[in-house]
Amino acid sequence: DAKTTQPPSMDCAEGRAANLPCNHSTISGNEYVYWYRQIHSQGPQYIIHGLKNNETNEMASLIITEDRKSSTLILPHATLRDTAVYYCIVRVTNLDNNNDMRFGAGTRLTVKP
Amino acid sequence: DTAVSQTPKYLVTQMGNDKSIKCEQNLGHDTMYWYKQDSKKFLKIMFSYNNKELIINETVPNRFSPKSPDKAHLNLHINSLELGDSAVYFCASSPTSGGEKLFFGSGTQLSVL
Repeated sequence: DAKTTQPPSMDCAEGRAANLPCNHSTISGNEYVYWYRQIHSQGPQYIIHGLKNNETNEMASLIITEDRKSSTLILPHATLRDTAVYYCIVRVTNLDNNNDMRFGAGTRLTVKP
Repeated sequence: DTAVSQTPKYLVTQMGNDKSIKCEQNLGHDTMYWYKQDSKKFLKIMFSYNNKELIINETVPNRFSPKSPDKAHLNLHINSLELGDSAVYFCASSPTSGGEKLFFGSGTQLSVL
């Protein structure tokens, strides 16, 4: 029961912005959008999450559409070390709700010199 | 200091053997998890523990038994190993059972021959 749809792969030139899309048309009002990435042979790494407002941190920006049915993760200046599989996940964040983080197939981003 | 550490990194064993994977986190988090990543790279949750108490137990064979001696440790014991158990196993932790941000270990690659 995949809640998100992502392209299987994308390329990006080094130094350019990488824009990774995610569709989550069935998202509920209390579900957050999370992004993780997994660099080869490493464990997944948290990047960012948001509910409806755009978010920015030291790693990336998250743009969520007004209807919340899709979002875009932006890596402003991609480097070769950003080559990884990027996962978009929607879930409820609630201290009383033991929902787990469920990973889909993700997008394999390749940053090229 | 490694935040979430798991040992061993590689484990090669014969079918039918019993093996354990250890996980420790020094982040002071309340919740710990085990995930399995199969050969197709899908990452699936197996278990989660909150303050030593089991809160998520997905459909996992009962040959897999997690043990949490304290909230900083979550070990995974596997009895009667089968070929299909070959995978990379990731331990993770989060500050609360809401799991809003997971911190993953670097994984244990299990190969059953």
